[in-house]
Amino acid sequence: NAGVTQTPKFRILKIGQSMTLQCTQDMNHNYMYWYRQDPGMGLKLIYYSVGAGITDKGEVPNGYNVSRSTTEDFPLRLELAAPSQTSVYFCASVGNGYTFGSGTRLTVV
Amino acid sequence: DQQVKQNSPSLSVQEGRISILNCDYTNSMFDYFLWYKKYPAEGPTFLISISSIKDKNEDGRFTVFLNKSAKHLSLHIVPSQPGDSAVYFCAASAGGTGNQFYFGTGTSLTVIP
Repeated sequence: NAGVTQTPKFRILKIGQSMTLQCTQDMNHNYMYWYRQDPGMGLKLIYYSVGAGITDKGEVPNGYNVSRSTTEDFPLRLELAAPSQTSVYFCASVGNGYTFGSGTRLTVV
Repeated sequence: DQQVKQNSPSLSVQEGRISILNCDYTNSMFDYFLWYKKYPAEGPTFLISISSIKDKNEDGRFTVFLNKSAKHLSLHIVPSQPGDSAVYFCAASAGGTGNQFYFGTGTSLTVIP
């Protein structure tokens, strides 16, 4: 009964490094989302997926990539980290309800 | 281009009183609305939803009201409790739960014991 699991919880990256934020859900939801939340702002949609093999851009996709090879997993990839990507990242999935993970706090220095 | 706006960044209410959090939207195509609360260092937690076919939805101490003509929704918490202290976000989408949601910037509620 884990819901949506995100790893890692915290990460510090140097400019130009790459990393993958992991997101896994065990509710068999088709819809999954990646959001970022900057201080004092609402959530902004980065990418979303309506099912395995299908992804699409949200409001702020630049600098990110995603894949959805299985229903359970929806990783978010940062290829060349920039200070503007310092944020808290939330993964979510939607079935009957809308469930968020606990977030990944990323700092790019 | 903020399509969902929460114009009050913060709100303080005495324990036991009513908390009213407001949200305005600009896109007339929005037909499904959500309220979330968020504690520090945690992910958002779903509270209550409403679709545009209704103007009110209740769940325990939480009631959401929707005024489509004014493009306005509000969340009422009665009675307010100290554990309700959190940041509350409203969100809206066009086309139900599976479509992209647009979030407001949040209102930080403090319930004073």
